[in-house]
Order: sequence, then structure tokens, then C-alpha cells
Amino acid sequence: EVQLVESGGGLVQPGGSLRLSCAASGFPFSNYWMSWVRQAPGKGLEWVANIEQDGSKKNYVDSVKGRFTISRDNAKNSLYLQMNSLRAEDTAVYYCARQSRDGYNYPYYFDLWGQGTLVTVSS
Amino acid sequence: EIVMTQSPATLSVSPGERATLSCRASQSVSTFLAWYQQKPGQAPRLLIYGASTRATGIPARFSGSGSGTEFTLTISSLQSEDFAVYYCQQYNDWPPYTFGQGTKLEIK
Repeated sequence: EVQLVESGGGLVQPGGSLRLSCAASGFPFSNYWMSWVRQAPGKGLEWVANIEQDGSKKNYVDSVKGRFTISRDNAKNSLYLQMNSLRAEDTAVYYCARQSRDGYNYPYYFDLWGQGTLVTVSS
Repeated sequence: EIVMTQSPATLSVSPGERATLSCRASQSVSTFLAWYQQKPGQAPRLLIYGASTRATGIPARFSGSGSGTEFTLTISSLQSEDFAVYYCQQYNDWPPYTFGQGTKLEIK
């Protein structure tokens, strides 16, 4: 079955750290750009970061630059998000998402999503 | 950053009727526009990409149109399972990828 399964969410104090994981199965993980997208409670979707197939290119939304690090292990079919210096405004469900791409390896829309993992930043 | 604006915020429609949802980009995104459906407690699901191409398994009652800065998602005859929140997203100019704030489609 083609799927993405996130884990690692939980309650963390402001200033703390958390590492999210996403396990991919049913498709050639190493062929795809991958992203993290988050959704604050009752709010819309916000793209957080993405990573190229071999991990050489990474991009972030400004609000997490310098605090979050996206990485991947293609041997383990896994995507990660290391979150440091967490703030209350980082509270959200974090989704792992696969990105479709064109013939030039330009990443496009999100064609497969995990079920999400909730991160709560609170004292 | 490209700002995506959806309207209306909430749309009340009766089952069997047509629903028309709008999405506007702050600058041209050509046809690099996707639509997603999200039901409560679930992850988003891709409906439309390239502004008008249905994703795999999406029923023909869903259609997308537009280019440049103005886009429309039309659901021709609403079924009970279609009541959800819908988001548009541009992938023409990134980072960041940006989403609209969503349109909640509710039963009238």
C-alpha cells in the first residue's frame, strides 16, 4: 500500500526540541521531493520545508529558518523534521507530503499525504 | 511571496446543486495551481492539479478552470461526501508554496 506515516509528535515546552519522522512505503521514496506541511488548530495549511531526492537541496518557510532542519534517509525510506527552539505558534498538526515533479525535477503539488502528527508547544 | 485568496469563506449549498469556489493569486501563477479537499480529522486530498486536471480517482463532477490569477473549482452535483473544506495552492513561484485560507462547503 502506498502510504506515509508520521510519528514523533507530542507536548513540548517553549524553547524545547522535537524530531518528527515519516515512514514511506509502497513507492520509490528516493525518486521524490518530500515536504512537511503544517496546520495550526482550526487554521489553514502552511508549507514548512522540502528536500530534494538526494538531500542536497532544502528549502524552508521564513518563520522556521534556523530552527527547523529537514532531512531524509533513503535507505530507510524515511523523512525527518528536527524542530528546535519551539514556540507556541509552532503548535500544529504536521503532515508529511510527497511532491509530484516534472521532467526537469521541478517539484510541484502534493499528491500523497500522511495522516499527520500533532505537536503542541506549551508550558 | 504569492498570496492566495479564496472566496467565499463559507458556501452553503444543497445536495444535488452546483458549487462554485474561487481562488485568486496576488500575481500570475500560470496554471500551476492545485486544489485539495480536507474533511474533519483527515489529511488533505489532492483533487486537481495544473488548474484543470483531475487527480487519479477523482470523480468527474469535480472540475477546475482558470489561469493567471483567477481560478475556479466547480462541483457539478453535490454529494453528501463532498461537504468539506477546500484549499487552493500555487506551485509556480516558491519557496514558499502558498495555500489559500480555505472555503468551507456546508450543507444548506
